Amino acid sequence: AQSVTQLDSHVSVSEGTPVLLRCNYSSSYSPSLFWYVQHPNKGLQLLLKYTSAATLVKGINGFEAEFKKSETSFHLTKPSAHMSDAAEYFCVVKGDYKLSFGAGTTVTVRA
Amino acid sequence: GAVVSQHPSRVICKSGTSVKIECRSLDFQATTMFWYRQFPKQSLMLMATSNEGSKATYEQGVEKDKFLINHASLTLSTLTVTSAHPEDSSFYICSAQTGGNSGNTIYFGEGSWLTVV
Repeated sequence: AQSVTQLDSHVSVSEGTPVLLRCNYSSSYSPSLFWYVQHPNKGLQLLLKYTSAATLVKGINGFEAEFKKSETSFHLTKPSAHMSDAAEYFCVVKGDYKLSFGAGTTVTVRA
Repeated sequence: GAVVSQHPSRVICKSGTSVKIECRSLDFQATTMFWYRQFPKQSLMLMATSNEGSKATYEQGVEKDKFLINHASLTLSTLTVTSAHPEDSSFYICSAQTGGNSGNTIYFGEGSWLTVV
């Protein structure tokens, strides 16, 4: 069994300030973990993925995430938010072959 | 990078008719594709897993006779909503899984808005 919990349903930041999106997971397998971003009325775009290599993963658009097995966490960060980062973010875990999605975190960026 | 294409992006159909949505992996072969449904401001709900050359595996509560899935080739899966009703109106998203050196990454299509009137 596997599950994902995104700890914040909504995060609001000022442009130029750091962004932190929290994700905790549980999995019976050695999981693969992903972060996807979804802009309004669009599909999901892969930001980054962890697949048992380096625990600090760098993705597109300045995002990165750190896999912490002891904390079963995979938090997403970006040092400086941009207006275009306003979107819905999903943390996803893949155990055997199925994906489990978090409920999503809505990010708003204030000018 | 890998690209998954969905068509149509938006479709309006009359109640009682059927509509087909295509999902194509453009630059890789996908033995497994997934179909999701997303309600407004909610996460994705897995409907079924589509395996090339075999019958799709449906999630509990999803009517397989209503949501017909065909995975005829390694680059194409289709979802047909039969006898559509207004409650079937939703955002449908497919995904395709790569293999090999890319480590089984899953890429999503752009989604298809279905409106049943």
